[in-house]
Amino acid sequence: GAGVSQSPSNKVTEKGKDVELRCDPISGHTALYWYRQSLGQGLEFLIYFQGNSAPDKSGLPSDRFSAERTGGSVSTLTIQRTQQEDSAVYLCASSLQGRETQYFGPGTRLLVL
Amino acid sequence: ELKVEQNPLFLSMQEGKNYTIYCNYSTTSDRLYWYRQDPGKSLESLFVLLSNGAVKQEGRLMASLDTKARLSTLHITAAVHDLSATYFCAVGGYGGSQGNLIFGKGTKLSVKP
Repeated sequence: GAGVSQSPSNKVTEKGKDVELRCDPISGHTALYWYRQSLGQGLEFLIYFQGNSAPDKSGLPSDRFSAERTGGSVSTLTIQRTQQEDSAVYLCASSLQGRETQYFGPGTRLLVL
Repeated sequence: ELKVEQNPLFLSMQEGKNYTIYCNYSTTSDRLYWYRQDPGKSLESLFVLLSNGAVKQEGRLMASLDTKARLSTLHITAAVHDLSATYFCAVGGYGGSQGNLIFGKGTKLSVKP
């Protein structure tokens, strides 16, 4: 596609449920990033995939968060046992290679009740 | 730990006026980006600055980088209403495989007639 796409665009869930968020990067981009944006914390890095290298998970806030990238393309961010503080906009970005300009998707707005 | 500070966080301008947004960062970096975010939208890449003294201009916006001072500026010339948005600077980790960006808290710009 022309840009980064994410689904769903909005997700409302109950505390304690698991959620999966999907990201389709720009075709041909080898690097993929997840960030989250909340009023209190601003924009925070979560995880970074570059080609076949081991992902940089240094930004994941707890072991309830995990992500995978299948076939070097689509990525899924999973949040287990969601908490209210997980409510935020989750943004995915991709770049042609690591350390280059990142292009952001429209985000998934997650609300945990 | 790399920290990024933007100021001001809020800026109300009149159309036709000039102003500058400042972005300071705490440790060496080889990449600095400016992004724009409209309400309810994702981030749009404006500029990437890669070397000391780099200057980029697009329309009424001009960005510059001083790596020795660890300072970037985004200068707005003769502001118009369409520039109303939140502007973020973001700094990349230096060297190695650090692909993620550290963002400032953003400057919310409101241009009034």
